[in-house]
Amino acid sequence: KQEVTQIPAALSVPEGENLVLNCSFTDSAIYNLQWFRQDPGKGLTSLLLIQSSQREQTSGRLNASLDKSSGRSTLYIAASQPGDSATYLCAVVVGAGKSTFGDGTTLTVKP
Amino acid sequence: GAVVSQHPSWVICKSGTSVKIECRSLDFQATTMFWYRQFPKQSLMLMATSNEGSKATYEQGVEKDKFLINHASLTLSTLTVTSAHPEDSSFYICSARIGNEAFFGQGTRLTVV
Repeated sequence: KQEVTQIPAALSVPEGENLVLNCSFTDSAIYNLQWFRQDPGKGLTSLLLIQSSQREQTSGRLNASLDKSSGRSTLYIAASQPGDSATYLCAVVVGAGKSTFGDGTTLTVKP
Repeated sequence: GAVVSQHPSWVICKSGTSVKIECRSLDFQATTMFWYRQFPKQSLMLMATSNEGSKATYEQGVEKDKFLINHASLTLSTLTVTSAHPEDSSFYICSARIGNEAFFGQGTRLTVV
């Protein structure tokens, strides 16, 4: 059974810092990995999707990497801003579009 | 990109009543959709897989008679929470499959009072 773990569970940083969120999964037979953002009481906003054949994806200040063989992904956020404060979820698609989610990392960026 | 629309975005209902949540694929056909549930301060857990034209497949521990899923067309799946109880208050989100990619709806926050 696929398990997804995110470390740390919570992170607080001062504005402007670069930071890394970690995601690990137990079964490397994934089709893709997706990073989401979730604001309190809100739905999911897709940030980056990495196909299993890719190593990384970039969007603006965000960069996600994938090492499928070791079961790891990282989300790098450059020059963090208070508006980046949210919970970040990673999810792996294990087949037929079914997703397994991690518990998330709650990020607080202090002004 | 593919768009999945979920309605309503939030709903409040009384205990004992039923509430229906819709999940629509707007610009593509989806033979398979998924329903997830998120308890407060927890991650999303798969509840069931909705298959067009056939019965849904429920995950272990999910009551199929309580959470009725209907996928009558290639663009619409519905989740009906029957005899709602305050314990059913949660965030429900659907996704639709294109190949091995999943596209998520905006989610529905259900509060049962």
